[in-house]
Amino acid sequence: KQEVTQIPAALSVPEGENLVLNCSFTDSAIYNLQWFRQDPGKGLTSLLLIQSSQREQTSGRLNASLDKSSGRSTLYIAASQPGDSATYLCAVTETSGSRLTFGEGTQLTVNP
Amino acid sequence: EAQVTQNPRYLITVTGKKLTVTCSQNMNHEYMSWYRQDPGLGLRQIYYSMNVEVTDKGDVPEGYKVSRKEKRNFPLILESPSPNQTSLYFCASSLRGGVLGMSTDTQYFGPGTRLTVL
Repeated sequence: KQEVTQIPAALSVPEGENLVLNCSFTDSAIYNLQWFRQDPGKGLTSLLLIQSSQREQTSGRLNASLDKSSGRSTLYIAASQPGDSATYLCAVTETSGSRLTFGEGTQLTVNP
Repeated sequence: EAQVTQNPRYLITVTGKKLTVTCSQNMNHEYMSWYRQDPGLGLRQIYYSMNVEVTDKGDVPEGYKVSRKEKRNFPLILESPSPNQTSLYFCASSLRGGVLGMSTDTQYFGPGTRLTVL
């Protein structure tokens, strides 16, 4: 059974820092991997989707990488801002035809 | 505006009283799905639908029903709610369903429904 782990569970940084969030998955047979952002009391917003054939995706200050063989993905946030404070979730879609499996998230706080 | 809407956003009910949480998307998406989010357990898929009249179980389908009579709507039905179904529920959709239940595109999530069953 696919398991997705996110480390750290919580992270607090001063504004302006570059930071990395980590996601690991146990079964490398994935179709794609997505990074989401969740604000308190709200739904999930998709940030980046990486197909299994891709190594990375970029959107603005965000860069996500994927190393399928080692079962890892990272989300890099450059020049963090207080508005980046949220919970970040990664999720994988398996090629076995199963379903979207989520990690438990990293709660990020960016302090002004 | 392209969006996924859910109603109600908050609901407190009692054990055994049937309820329906509606989900609607205006993006002409084929794939729709329901998740529940619980502390320490993360997000888990309840049911999904590849297209109209095609639904299948996710990881935690017990106690839930769904229907997909129209492309835009995917209601979640709790026939006899129990306290262990107290949770935050999310509906999601994506443009296409893939093979065997995969979503092949970015999933768009609704704002969530916080359900409390007493």
